[in-house]
Amino acid sequence: NAGVTQTPKFQVLKTGQSMTLQCAQDMNHNSMYWYRQDPGMGLRLIYYSASEGTTDKGEVPNGYNVSRLNKREFSLRLESAAPSQTSVYFCASSPGTGYNTIYFGEGSWLTVV
Amino acid sequence: EDQVTQSPEALRLQEGESSSLNCSYTVSGLRGLFWYRQDPGKGPEFLFTLYSAGEEKEKERLKATLTKKESFLHITAPKPEDSATYLCAVQAIDQGGSEKLVFGKGTKLTVNP
Repeated sequence: NAGVTQTPKFQVLKTGQSMTLQCAQDMNHNSMYWYRQDPGMGLRLIYYSASEGTTDKGEVPNGYNVSRLNKREFSLRLESAAPSQTSVYFCASSPGTGYNTIYFGEGSWLTVV
Repeated sequence: EDQVTQSPEALRLQEGESSSLNCSYTVSGLRGLFWYRQDPGKGPEFLFTLYSAGEEKEKERLKATLTKKESFLHITAPKPEDSATYLCAVQAIDQGGSEKLVFGKGTKLTVNP
């Protein structure tokens, strides 16, 4: 029972480089999310996908793009990484966006130097 | 502006010393309140969902309660393995009718043997 799986677990990027964080869930959930967690800031929503084929901006979308590849997979892309994007990124999923619990992956630690 | 405030930021207890964590919120259109546990280097793990004032949920040594303004996570006779950061999140409807989940910054609990 994998739940929500994220890759990679750790990544170091140079400023200006691009990369994609991958996320897959095996719970047949409709909704998927990308959050970032910074010390003293709590979890903040970057983008979400309420259902397959739709994506919407969250609280902090600047510098990121997302793709809902299919119902299982939701990727987060940094086109030109900046040091301010050093953070821990969490992918999450839920059955829907209504009265539903959100389940999180284990996190991806990204450092931009 | 919707806000979720958790207190205290950090709490140290001796094994067996019961206490409570607080989550106060100011949101319009509350849909639900969630408690998560987060261990270092891991993603948040779902604990409870509360939907209406007066509701209570229990799991082992943890009990969550909800009023119209705040939620408490009561920890009875804690053990060292209860050490973690506890996150509170509130699901609400914004003025545009979209649902959002607002997280508090968490309470770091340390239980000493």
